[in-house]
Amino acid sequence: QLVLTQSPSASASLGASVKLTCTLSSGHSNYAITWHQQQPEKGPRYLMKLNSDGNHIKGDGIPDRFSGSSSGAERYLTISSLQSEDEADYYCQTWGTGIRVVFGGGTKLTVL
Amino acid sequence: EVQLLESGGGLVQPGGSLRLSCAASGFTFSSYTLSWVRQAPGKGLEWVSSISGSGGSTYYADSVKGRFTISRDNSKNTLYLQMKSLRAEDTAVFYCAKDEGSGSYYIDSWGQGTLVTVSS
Repeated sequence: QLVLTQSPSASASLGASVKLTCTLSSGHSNYAITWHQQQPEKGPRYLMKLNSDGNHIKGDGIPDRFSGSSSGAERYLTISSLQSEDEADYYCQTWGTGIRVVFGGGTKLTVL
Repeated sequence: EVQLLESGGGLVQPGGSLRLSCAASGFTFSSYTLSWVRQAPGKGLEWVSSISGSGGSTYYADSVKGRFTISRDNSKNTLYLQMKSLRAEDTAVFYCAKDEGSGSYYIDSWGQGTLVTVSS
């Protein structure tokens, strides 16, 4: 079964970097994912598509501070030079056979 | 610029029906799969349903199968979600989402959402 697993929370200091993780379930380590940001009281915003080889394509206007990488079944979102507006929920998404669109449970990022 | 504008949300009683619409612009509508994604208060994102570009293929989450129907009118650049037999647990903000193209279901654009409240 295709499942995406994310840690419920993460925190980092203003100006620092943070690496969020999205883990694909067994047997799905070659899947691409997308990353989305949801700031408080707002709708989701597409950040990037991240392939299994670490190549990623960012959405329009997404700052260079946001980058993606991959290792095995792990997909990472790294945010550098953290700003207050980066405090948000971050979701990963993919899809599988039988067209099941899947979301991770989301990671709530707190900027200290 | 891609724009997705949802409408049709509101307050409905349990067991009632509602139809959501999503008006799209800024892309070749019929070339892209589209999805509905919902978010219950304080919860994460939950996929509801998807439809292929032609409208010939539709897919549903188990939680809504048999109660919700997704459709599209490619002449009007509009996506729909017909919801019936609504339950309290269907209360959520419903988002329209567009895929990246090439028949995939990787989401790359979102609407602003419309709130559906199921309550007596």
